[in-house]
Order: sequence, then structure tokens, then C-alpha cells
Amino acid sequence: KAGVTQTPRYLIKTRGQQVTLSCSPISGHRSVSWYQQTPGQGLQFLFEYFSETQRNKGNFPGRFSGRQFSNSRSEMNVSTLELGDSALYLCASSLGSGVTYEQYFGPGTRLTVT
Amino acid sequence: AQSVTQLGSHVSVSEGALVLLRCNYSSSVPPYLFWYVQYPNQGLQLLLKYTTGATLVKGINGFEAEFKKSETSFHLTKPSAHMSDAAEYFCAVSGSGGGADGLTFGKGTHLIIQP
Repeated sequence: KAGVTQTPRYLIKTRGQQVTLSCSPISGHRSVSWYQQTPGQGLQFLFEYFSETQRNKGNFPGRFSGRQFSNSRSEMNVSTLELGDSALYLCASSLGSGVTYEQYFGPGTRLTVT
Repeated sequence: AQSVTQLGSHVSVSEGALVLLRCNYSSSVPPYLFWYVQYPNQGLQLLLKYTTGATLVKGINGFEAEFKKSETSFHLTKPSAHMSDAAEYFCAVSGSGGGADGLTFGKGTHLIIQP
């Protein structure tokens, strides 16, 4: 069974632009969570989607948004990019919503904002 | 609200020696606790988790952790380190109850294995 895939793997954007990252969960998984990983702040929860609905959201500004499609694939969007948005963005999928379900992580998308 | 403190951003042990990575948590509700490992340029892989029941949890690759409520700790151990254990390790906590709360991670501990 294929694992979680994230595209693109690497991305370079300019401050002020917007970016869309994509995550394809493991087949059959209905929940997708997004995390931001930076050297300074570590791993931080962005949001979780389950059955096309946002279930929970971390403490990030409204510039960070996401959505989930009927096939469970998910995208996250960051508008008006700032230098501080440079990070590794990790997506994790699970069978159901909530942490009692094991989360399987993708390799991440490395975003660099210049 | 939850928080996690991992003591030591870098831990170095000799191959064959005991591995001990420390994790203390704070949670306003009974916690679910996790240990993840991250190899370079890869995502996170779950090593083990504690939800309820037995406080000594065994995971993959010979790792285990013990939930100690009185000490609010969930330290990760492995009796004998192997070179392949060199990686970044993250402790994480979430509130119990099966809700949709995201995981709260510690800052991570980089494990170095000396030959």
C-alpha cells in the first residue's frame, strides 16, 4: 500500500506570494492533519480535516488555510508569504479523526521564502 | 492545554549502550503520549504510544517507554543502541477522549550513536 505522498517536495517562493501544497493520504484514510516544522518553533499543529470538514485548527493566522476533497486528498494554502513561513510542512493521514488513530506522516514539503 | 519538555537537545551514547531519552509533559486532562522518530529528509514514524492500560509500552525497533503519572514523565529507553538508531526523536502529547485535537510535540532530541 502506498504511503502518504506530498507534492511538491521542495518549493521556493518570494515574500508576498501565495503557495498551495498537496497531500495524498494512504488509501482508505479519511483524516488528514497538517504540521509545520521549523528549527525555532519545532513541530506545530496547523489543522485537521476529516470527511471534507475542518475538525480542529492550531494557533496560526488566517493566512494559513486548507481543504479536503471527496477523495480525501488535501491541500493547504498560505497567502501573503512571510520569511517566517519557511519551514518543512508535514502531512499525516489516519483512518479516523482523533489521536487514537495512528497518524502516518509523509516526507514533507520544504518551503523556502525569500 | 498540553505541553512537552524533552530534556537534552542532543544525546550521545556508544553503540551497545543504554539509550534514555527524557520526556516530561503537562496536561489538564489524562494524556495520550507518543514517541516519534524522524530520519533525515523523512517524515515522522510512530515508535510507540500510551493511551490507557499498561503503563509500560513496547514499541518498534526494541524501544519502550513507561508512563509515570506521579512524575508526569514518559521516558524512552532501549537496552542496546545500534548505529541505525541515530535520528531525531520527538515526544508528543494529546488530550484523551478521542477528540480531534492535534498533537503537541516537544522540541526533539537528536540521538548520536558513537561507534
